[in-house]
Formats: sequence, structure tokens, C-alpha cells
Amino acid sequence: AQSVAQPEDQVNVAEGNPLTVKCTYSVSGNPYLFWYVQYPNRGLQFLLKYITGDNLVKGSYGFEAEFNKSQTSFHLKKPSALVSDSALYFCAVRDIAAVGGYQKVTFGTGTKLQVIP
Amino acid sequence: NAGVTQTPKFQVLKTGQSMTLQCAQDMNHEYMSWYRQDPGMGLRLIHYSVGAGITDQGEVPNGYNVSRSTTEDFPLRLLSAAPSQTSVYFCASRKQGSGANVLTFGAGSRLTVL
Repeated sequence: AQSVAQPEDQVNVAEGNPLTVKCTYSVSGNPYLFWYVQYPNRGLQFLLKYITGDNLVKGSYGFEAEFNKSQTSFHLKKPSALVSDSALYFCAVRDIAAVGGYQKVTFGTGTKLQVIP
Repeated sequence: NAGVTQTPKFQVLKTGQSMTLQCAQDMNHEYMSWYRQDPGMGLRLIHYSVGAGITDQGEVPNGYNVSRSTTEDFPLRLLSAAPSQTSVYFCASRKQGSGANVLTFGAGSRLTVL
């Protein structure tokens, strides 16, 4: 079974400071990993994904994430936070070895990012 | 604009009533799915479909029915609403083929069951 953990319900960071939103995962094989963002009263939007190759993945709005296989982590980062980054962030995983039409994606419980002016 | 359209955005039901949440996409995506979002529980998969005429259960299917008569539409039916079904519902779609394909989400439907 695959699973995702986001250990922090909320992360507070001052505007202009670097931010990190943590994610760890568990799969039986190799993972596809995703980050989605949800702004208030909106659906989830794709930010970035890791498939294979370079462990540092760059995505939308200046976000990046680092895949660490030994620590089974995929933390989301940004060098300088903006107030407009305040939102709910979801990490998600899919086991590459999974077969069939299901291709289930498992989401974490979400981390609320609050950027303080 | 291309994307996933959900209706209605808000709905209040009484216990025992039935209703249908509509979902339509115009991206020719084979895979469509319904999630519910509850505080502290993230997104949980209710039902999914990999093409017209093909549906299957996700993690929390009880109390919900789906059908997929066309590629574009994937309605979610609540047969007899219960307060436990108060939630925000999201429809999402993606291209089949690669497991790395990303999901495109609708804006959500907020359902309250009294």
C-alpha cells in the first residue's frame, strides 16, 4: 500500500524568508511524486512533479522540490515567500509499479501555508 | 476555457434526499474521478472511471453511485443523503497512459446535509 505523510498542519513564514513544506511517502516500488496547491474556494492546481532523473524539480511560481530516496521525502521549497503563496498544499504519490486502470494517486492531508507580511 | 466544470457549487440537502453532482470535461481525458475533501483527512477517492462505460470504486464508495455514458461527463449520485456526506466534492480528470500524468480539478461542490 502507498501512503503520504505531511507532518505539519500549518507552516508560518515571514514574507521574503525561505519556506519548506514537508512530505514523506511510502511505496513498494519507485514513486511518482506530485505537489498541488489549493487557494481558498478553488480546486487543486498542479505545481510540480518528480518522475525520474534530477532530484531537484522546479515548478510553477518559483517553487521547487527535492526528491530524497534514502529519506523517502519530497519537501516543497521556495527561496523567498510571498503573501500570495498563502494556500493549502498537498503532496501526492503514485507507485510506478502499480498496474491496471486504477493508477491510484494517494494524497496527504495537506499543509496550510501562512505567509506573514 | 478548457477544464473541468462542476455544478452546483453549493447545495443544502435534508437527510434522505437524493441529488446528482455534475462533472464535465472538454479535454478528452479518459480518466475521471470524484474525491471528497474533509478537514484533517485530505482527499479521498470515491469512484473513478477509465473510459465510457467503465467505472470502479475508490476508497469511500458507500452511499454514492456513478455512471460514465460519455467521455465528457461523470455525474456523482447521492442516493439517500446522510449528514456524514457533508463535504466538499472535487471532480478530477487526466489523460490515461502514463501514471505521471497530472490531474486537472474542478472548482468543487460544497454539500451540506442537514
